[in-house]
Amino acid sequence: GQNIDQPTEMTATEGAIVQINCTYQTSGFNGLFWYQQHAGEAPTFLSYNVLDGLEEKGRFSSFLSRSKGYSYLLLKELQMKDSASYLCAVSGAAGNKLTFGGGTRVLVKP
Amino acid sequence: NAGVMQNPRHLVRRRGQEARLRCSPMKGHSHVYWYRQLPEEGLKFMVYLQKENIIDESGMPKERFSAEFPKEGPSILRIQQVVRGDSAAYFCASSPVNTGSIDGYTFGSGTRLTVV
Repeated sequence: GQNIDQPTEMTATEGAIVQINCTYQTSGFNGLFWYQQHAGEAPTFLSYNVLDGLEEKGRFSSFLSRSKGYSYLLLKELQMKDSASYLCAVSGAAGNKLTFGGGTRVLVKP
Repeated sequence: NAGVMQNPRHLVRRRGQEARLRCSPMKGHSHVYWYRQLPEEGLKFMVYLQKENIIDESGMPKERFSAEFPKEGPSILRIQQVVRGDSAAYFCASSPVNTGSIDGYTFGSGTRLTVV
């Protein structure tokens, strides 16, 4: 089966850094995705990790450790517009569907 | 290059009616996926289709729900005899190949179904 865990909610201050952790247990692994979703909108793709290590993209970075079944999304220099839900998703062995965690709602305060 | 198009954006149905949700994938994408998102929850996989083929429907409820992706036209998710518990956001996504891809899916804006 598939099981993906991430915190429900996090609060941080504008300009600060927030790290959203995601742990997963899946039958097969073909990559881990992070998506951003604003309320009432579609998820938008942020990052994809298939090998261990850190991928950096501007203010956002994503890390993967396959041996630990662990990933994190790091958001730096937080802006008010970063207030959203962040979804961790894993592509299983067949690679034809994603299993999502429940999402982490991040609230950025002034 | 239009993205994934879903319509309608909002759909209200009375209990017992049928709901038909449409999804046109991005140009050049031949793989379509449907996901359901209940309020305050993550997305749950429902079905994966290619043209004229259902590849994986392991997430579809056994009754009342069906999906198709015909040779011509959009993919359709049909919910018969809707109940209040069907109220959710239904997202469609498309990809050129399977999801083992650095670009992942492209999601549509979703259809928000409300059953009254």
